[in-house]
Amino acid sequence: KQEVTQIPAALSVPEGENLVLNCSFTDSAIYNLQWFRQDPGKGLTSLLLIQSSQREQTSGRLNASLDKSSGRSTLYIAASQPGDSATYLCAVKGNSGNTPLVFGKGTRLSVIA
Amino acid sequence: DAEITQSPRHKITETGRQVTLACHQTWNHNNMFWYRQDLGHGLRLIHYSYGVQDTNKGEVSDGYSVSRSNTEDLPLTLESAASSQTSVYFCASSEALNYGYTFGSGTRLTVV
Repeated sequence: KQEVTQIPAALSVPEGENLVLNCSFTDSAIYNLQWFRQDPGKGLTSLLLIQSSQREQTSGRLNASLDKSSGRSTLYIAASQPGDSATYLCAVKGNSGNTPLVFGKGTRLSVIA
Repeated sequence: DAEITQSPRHKITETGRQVTLACHQTWNHNNMFWYRQDLGHGLRLIHYSYGVQDTNKGEVSDGYSVSRSNTEDLPLTLESAASSQTSVYFCASSEALNYGYTFGSGTRLTVV
């Protein structure tokens, strides 16, 4: 059974700092990995989708990397801003059949002005 | 613009009542999913569907059912609501195997 772990559970940083959020998964047989952002009381917004054949994806100040063999992904946020404060969720999709996304519990990020 | 909408946004119901949460998407996606989100547990899969007339159980399906009569809708029914089903429920859809998921805004359900 796939398990997804995100460390740390919470993180507080000063504005302007570069930061890395970590995601690990137990079964490396994945189809893709998706990073989401969730604001308090809101739904999930997709940030980046990495296919298993890719090593990284970039969108603006966000860069996500994937090391499938070691079961790890990182989300790098450059020059953090208070508006980046949210919970970031990592989810993986197994490649056996059409298995649904399995989520980590998220990292709650606070960027202090 | 295509979207995925959930209704109601908030609902309070009594223990033992049947409750149906609606999910409607205009993306024309074949794949639809229901998750619940609880503190300490994250998002857990309840049921999912890969097309009309197809339904599958997820990790926490007991006490829930779904039906898929058309592409656009996947309603989630709580047969007899229990306090343990107090949660935030999210519906999602995806176009195909290698595509990402798009989520609705969620329904906050309280069972009293």
